[in-house]
Amino acid sequence: EPEVTQTPSHQVTQMGQEVILRCVPISNHLYFYWYRQILGQKVEFLVSFYNNEISEKSEIFDDQFSVERPDGSNFTLKIRSTKLEDSAMYFCASGDTTYEQYFGPGTRLTVT
Amino acid sequence: DAKTTQPPSMDCAEGRAANLPCNHSTISGNEYVYWYRQIHSQGPQYIIHGLKNNETNEMASLIITEDRKSSTLILPHATLRDTAVYYCIVSRPRFYNQGGKLIFGQGTELSVKP
Repeated sequence: EPEVTQTPSHQVTQMGQEVILRCVPISNHLYFYWYRQILGQKVEFLVSFYNNEISEKSEIFDDQFSVERPDGSNFTLKIRSTKLEDSAMYFCASGDTTYEQYFGPGTRLTVT
Repeated sequence: DAKTTQPPSMDCAEGRAANLPCNHSTISGNEYVYWYRQIHSQGPQYIIHGLKNNETNEMASLIITEDRKSSTLILPHATLRDTAVYYCIVSRPRFYNQGGKLIFGQGTELSVKP
């Protein structure tokens, strides 16, 4: 069964460094999303992406964040200058219909 | 986006039906009811969705009241592996570049006990 994959599973970085989180969505999907979950808190929507552009973004998704689909298979989330409060689990999701989203296993980002 | 209200926790005996309620009194006409679950810190898993009719799939059944202000997710024969946080979410479906985002609440922590 096709699934969304994410790499790395755990990323440790120092404050102020740039990180790129990678996702491989299910191959025929057209809609892509990033969410995050700070430890012990709710899953929060960050951004949605369709037809090579951002469809919607939350207040969290400020100028420090960017997304890209560089090669037709990967979907990346870049954080330009990480802060301690960016430490969280980041989930990628994709969908091909108007309904369900399929989530990846997540990347745990730890900013020290 | 309409908000939902769910009990913070519920227990269920293994093999019995788990009935998880959700209130969404401010749901609008084009919003669907979605249910997802999250086991430990894994990625959320889609369970089922519906607009106004009751729905059933291999995982669960979804009962939506006639006024659409509340719904119930039914796991007919809960197993220990169904222990998870269950999220009821209302959202517009995706249509080209609109809609589709999921706004998660705190959900219901379901504990299935032997």
